[in-house]
Amino acid sequence: IAGITQAPTSQILAAGRRMTLRCTQDMRHNAMYWYRQDLGLGLRLIHYSNTAGTTGKGEVPDGYSVSRANTDDFPLTLASAVPSQTSVYFCASSISGTSTDTQYFGPGTRLTVL
Amino acid sequence: GQNIDQPTEMTATEGAIVQINCTYQTSGFNGLFWYQQHAGEAPTFLSYNVLDGLEEKGRFSSFLSRSKGYSYLLLKELQMKDSASYLCAVTDSNYQLIWGAGTKLIIKP
Repeated sequence: IAGITQAPTSQILAAGRRMTLRCTQDMRHNAMYWYRQDLGLGLRLIHYSNTAGTTGKGEVPDGYSVSRANTDDFPLTLASAVPSQTSVYFCASSISGTSTDTQYFGPGTRLTVL
Repeated sequence: GQNIDQPTEMTATEGAIVQINCTYQTSGFNGLFWYQQHAGEAPTFLSYNVLDGLEEKGRFSSFLSRSKGYSYLLLKELQMKDSASYLCAVTDSNYQLIWGAGTKLIIKP
């Protein structure tokens, strides 16, 4: 079934540890995105990639890094996790990098940093 | 600054009609999206408006007034499965998608 998968589904992490959230899509979409969703706030863009080999910073990039080695995968890395990074993380993709395209979301990763 | 306002929570009765409003102040405008998000799940696309007027899609309709910076999502013949959060998002002049915090809709029998 075509779509976006994320791993892990949930994770509890000690502060200071390194963590990579995985995202894979099989729709051959050019653009991919990472968001975090916190209670009472809208989705906030962390990083994005309009095509393989390129990445850009979103609204809240500090403490996070991404890479886009190929079309399908877009991992998000927390180099040294802090409690304020406790959140639900969604990966999304769209056909192109134009924000008028519909974005399709993965199931999310619930991350708790203690 | 850029801002999108939606009511935090609304309650409606099964079978009734509900209107969820969204007002926005953004640097430019290149379209408005509505997404549905059930608790613990991912957002899913409902509608996209770029021109003024009403777009109807089954039980759901979305309206846009660009001059007023206003949109609404209209849900008819409410069903229990419509209990969810409804997210409004606007594409600004830089083609960045700005998201509202969402409206939690509670449907009562």
